[in-house]
Amino acid sequence: EPEVTQTPSHQVTQMGQEVILRCVPISNHLYFYWYRQILGQKVEFLVSFYNNEISEKSEIFDDQFSVERPDGSNFTLKIRSTKLEDSAMYFCASSEGDNQPQHFGDGTRLSIL
Amino acid sequence: GQNIDQPTEMTATEGAIVQINCTYQTSGFNGLFWYQQHAGEAPTFLSYNVLDGLEEKGRFSSFLSRSKGYSYLLLKELQMKDSASYLCAVRFGAQTGANNLFFGTGTRLTVIP
Repeated sequence: EPEVTQTPSHQVTQMGQEVILRCVPISNHLYFYWYRQILGQKVEFLVSFYNNEISEKSEIFDDQFSVERPDGSNFTLKIRSTKLEDSAMYFCASSEGDNQPQHFGDGTRLSIL
Repeated sequence: GQNIDQPTEMTATEGAIVQINCTYQTSGFNGLFWYQQHAGEAPTFLSYNVLDGLEEKGRFSSFLSRSKGYSYLLLKELQMKDSASYLCAVRFGAQTGANNLFFGTGTRLTVIP
């Protein structure tokens, strides 16, 4: 069964550095998402991406964050000038169509030191 | 924000039936999803409801009442491997591409022998 893949599985970074989290959505899916989950808390929406542009973003997704689809398969989340509170599990998800189930990758655990 | 409420924890016996409830604000509702999440892993899609009624999929069923802003996930013939968190997630709005989900805090289910 096709799945969403994310790399790396764990990223440790010094505060203030930039990180790029990578995702390969399911190949025939058109909608892409990033979510984060701080340890012990609920899953929170960050951004959705459709037709090569951001379609919606949350209050969390400020100027520190950006997304890109650099080619036909990858979908990346860049976090600039990381802060301690950015430490979380970051999940990429994709869906085939509008209001279709979103399938999640295994996540990248980001640890900011 | 959109409040999505579900019990924090539940315990049930192997072989039994358990019902996990979820309530949400009805304004702008456009679909409800249930996900299973084992500790440290990604959410896995279980079911989707957008119309009133019961959706059955093997041992798992999900019910929706849009007028009441209420859903439940029913798990039958519980197995030890069903011990996990069950996340209720709601989509609000009908804007194309705006498929972001709002998650509840999850219900941690413990299945005991």
